[in-house]
Amino acid sequence: QKEVEQDPGPLSVPEGAIVSLNCTYSNSAFQYFMWYRQYSRKGPELLMYTYSSGNKEDGRFTAQVDKSSKYISLFIRDSQPSDSATYLCAMSEVQGGKLIFGQGTELSVKP
Amino acid sequence: DAGVIQSPRHEVTEMGQEVTLRCKPISGHDYLFWYRQTMMRGLELLIYFNNNVPIDDSGMPEDRFSAKMPNASFSTLKIQPSEPRDSAVYFCASSFRGASSGNTIYFGEGSWLTVV
Repeated sequence: QKEVEQDPGPLSVPEGAIVSLNCTYSNSAFQYFMWYRQYSRKGPELLMYTYSSGNKEDGRFTAQVDKSSKYISLFIRDSQPSDSATYLCAMSEVQGGKLIFGQGTELSVKP
Repeated sequence: DAGVIQSPRHEVTEMGQEVTLRCKPISGHDYLFWYRQTMMRGLELLIYFNNNVPIDDSGMPEDRFSAKMPNASFSTLKIQPSEPRDSAVYFCASSFRGASSGNTIYFGEGSWLTVV
């Protein structure tokens, strides 16, 4: 079993839809939770970062972490065609320095 | 800042040949990571360095893969001999203080490797 599981999709939604992306994990030592966005033929870039449990909002994006269920989510409101990309969840422990990624979910927002 | 710089951007090579991928991290960063991305397996961590010292190479698939970081501004990932199943995008990334404190990891544009 992989440490981080993410449905690879692809996911296709109409413009303006609410998008929900999710990851589950097995390592209870993970404390830092991130979402990276990767456009086609580019490297991933950090989108949002959350420490431990709770919610974080940044414009149209909301990240949620439920450590009791080992489940994290990213919500995108009023999705736009420019949001079309692959979204990767990533996690790290307090010690060690490395970042473990989910497989990534490919999102397409149709005008 | 120029960001993480990788070379070559694209490489097509024949099975059995040696492949060397190069990376220049962001100046001042003390962590360097090598990742491999495929459709089937996603983004996998191969190895990472802290202050030029390899910390965890458990993700290196087999002895055909090796990585070095001779100084703070340069790293290589070598595959010898290469095989078709090594075809993937190889990303180099760097950060200040690593991911453990939630610090951002910055990725290069990737090296697209095809082994025929």
